[in-house]
Amino acid sequence: GAVVSQHPSWVICKSGTSVKIECRSLDFQATTMFWYRQFPKQSLMLMATSNEGSKATYEQGVEKDKFLINHASLTLSTLTVTSAHPEDSSFYICSAIHPSGWEAKNIQYFGAGTRLSVL
Amino acid sequence: GDSVTQMEGPVTLSEEAFLTINCTYTATGYPSLFWYVQYPGEGLQLLLKATKADDKGSNKGFEATYRKETTSFHLEKGSVQVSDSAVYFCALSLGMNTGFQKLVFGTGTRLLVSP
Repeated sequence: GAVVSQHPSWVICKSGTSVKIECRSLDFQATTMFWYRQFPKQSLMLMATSNEGSKATYEQGVEKDKFLINHASLTLSTLTVTSAHPEDSSFYICSAIHPSGWEAKNIQYFGAGTRLSVL
Repeated sequence: GDSVTQMEGPVTLSEEAFLTINCTYTATGYPSLFWYVQYPGEGLQLLLKATKADDKGSNKGFEATYRKETTSFHLEKGSVQVSDSAVYFCALSLGMNTGFQKLVFGTGTRLLVSP
C-alpha cells in the first residue's frame, strides 16, 4: 500500500511554454502533499506544501507565480511550471502523507520523480 | 539553519562487504532522523528512522543509531547484496510532534555493489 504515482516521468518542452506534472496517491487519500526539486548531485529541496482545498505554502525563495500548485482532490496534486526556461530544468519529486494514525501520518511516500528539460 | 551532510559517493563494494554511509546533521531542537533509499526508476522509500537520542532504527539488515553527542546517524549493514545498489538519503525532520513532517535531506550517496 501507500503508492504515489507521478506523471510524466520525463518531459521536454520549449522555452516559454508551460508544463504540468501530476502527483497521485493511488491507494490512499492524502490531505497533504509536498513538492521537491533536485539538482544534479544535490539534495532534495522542498518547494511547497500542498494542502487539499487550500492554497499551497511555498518555501522562501520559490516563485509562486512560476510554480503553480493545485491540490483539487484528496488523491491529486499538480505542479505547473509556467513560462518555463532552461534554468527550470531539474528533477521534480512529489510526496504524500498517509493520513491514518500518528505514526503513519509522519511518513512521506514519494513518487518516482519527473525530469524536466527545457530547451 | 537545519542541514544534513552525508558522504559523497559513489560507494563501491563487493557483495558481502560491510557498509557504512556517514551522516551528520545540524539542527535547532531535537530532530527525528531518517534514511530513505531510492532504487533505479522508483520513488524514495523509507528505510529506517529514529525519533530520539540513542534510538536504533533497523530494517532489511540496515541499522543506524541516533547519536546526539556526535550529531550523527550513520547507516550500516554487515553484508551487502547486489540488490542493495541504490541511492541512500539521510534526512531530518523537526515537525514530528505536530503531526506534520518537513524533511531536510542530504545530497544522497550512491551505493554500487558488484557480485
